[in-house]
Order: sequence, then C-alpha cells, then structure tokens
Amino acid sequence: KNEVEQSPQNLTAQEGEFITINCSYSVGISALHWLQQHPGGGIVSLFMLSSGKKKHGRLIATINIQEKHSSLHITASHPRDSAVYICMNDMRFGAGTRLTVKP
Amino acid sequence: ETGVTQTPRHLVMGMTNKKSLKCEQHLGHNAMYWYKQSAKKPLELMFVYSLEERVENNSVPSRFSPECPNSSHLFLHLHTLQPEDSALYLCASSQEGQKFNSPLHFGNGTRLTVT
Repeated sequence: KNEVEQSPQNLTAQEGEFITINCSYSVGISALHWLQQHPGGGIVSLFMLSSGKKKHGRLIATINIQEKHSSLHITASHPRDSAVYICMNDMRFGAGTRLTVKP
Repeated sequence: ETGVTQTPRHLVMGMTNKKSLKCEQHLGHNAMYWYKQSAKKPLELMFVYSLEERVENNSVPSRFSPECPNSSHLFLHLHTLQPEDSALYLCASSQEGQKFNSPLHFGNGTRLTVT
C-alpha cells in the first residue's frame, strides 16, 4: 500500500482559477517535497518543507505535521502550469496529480 | 541546463544485452539517486549513494547494478532485463542524501524499452 496519497488524480481548470492539490502521508517525515513533471519526463523540485508554509511566485505549499497533510496551491493558473504534480515523503511518492489548465 | 545530465535519452535493448545508463552532476552535491518510473505507477526509489557509498537499496533485482565512482558520476548497469523493466529511469542529486531533507535536482531521464 502506497503510504502517500494524493488527490485529485486528475484536475482540469480554466485559466485564472485557483488550484489546490492535496497530499496525505502515514509516517513521519524529514521533509515533504513537491515536484512538477512536464510531458517528456523532466522533473523540477518546487518545494521542500517540514513545517508551515512556503511561497514561490504563484505557487504556495503548506504542511500540517500533526495531521500529516500538505497542500499545493496555484493562484491565477495558466496553461503553462499544465503538468503532473507529485508529492514525495522521504522515499515514498504519491501517484501524482495530472493538471490541465485550459485557456 | 538542469545541472544533472543523463545519457542516453532513449535506449532500446534486447533481453540478452548489457548496457549502462550514465548520470553526471555539476552541482557539487554529495548524494545521487536512481529512480524508476513505470507507466501508471508512482516513482520508485532504486538506489541512493551518499559520498560515493550506497546508503539505500530498495530491494532492486540484481539485473540492475549501480556504480558511483565519484560524487559527480553515477551509472546503472543493466543486464538480462525483462520487458517489464521498460520505464523512465531518472537520476537526481542533492546536497545531502541520508535524511532526504535537501532539494532534489533531476536529470531528464533515460527512456528504456526492453524488447
């Protein structure tokens, strides 16, 4: 059983919408990572966090250690945000959320 | 330019072949990783090297053999693979490897097809 659960699996949004992707995990962590994977396979690390909240441009990541839950938010979404978003907890990965942003 | 370079980008091999995947990082990192991404499955960690010593091996079959000759280079030697080993193989590096609390920098991957 995969101990990192992401939701939703697929998400379609209109340009400009606010996006939320959720990640729950079942074991303690050193740090939780949010990754972005574009078609073709390349993966970019977006955030690494162990507490609180981090912001980078239109992206915000939050984590609640007590509830073992993290969220990735995208404000003012754009078609170039279309990608698969993956959360990673130590050695364990979520299955990914495929985001499509339509113009 | 990601700082982590993988070659080749694509590889097709027969089940009796022997081939190697190469990864090179120019970031001065101390840890390097091999990951496997199969179709419709989550990413899986295969191996972790920290300061050139293997610190993690996730019960990977012996037909996959990693080698880390120095902190900048990582290889994955392949022999007698099975069709189910067809996948995207990703290399990554980070400043520190044993506690997974450093940001990861990924290569673009090698797409392997075993025929």
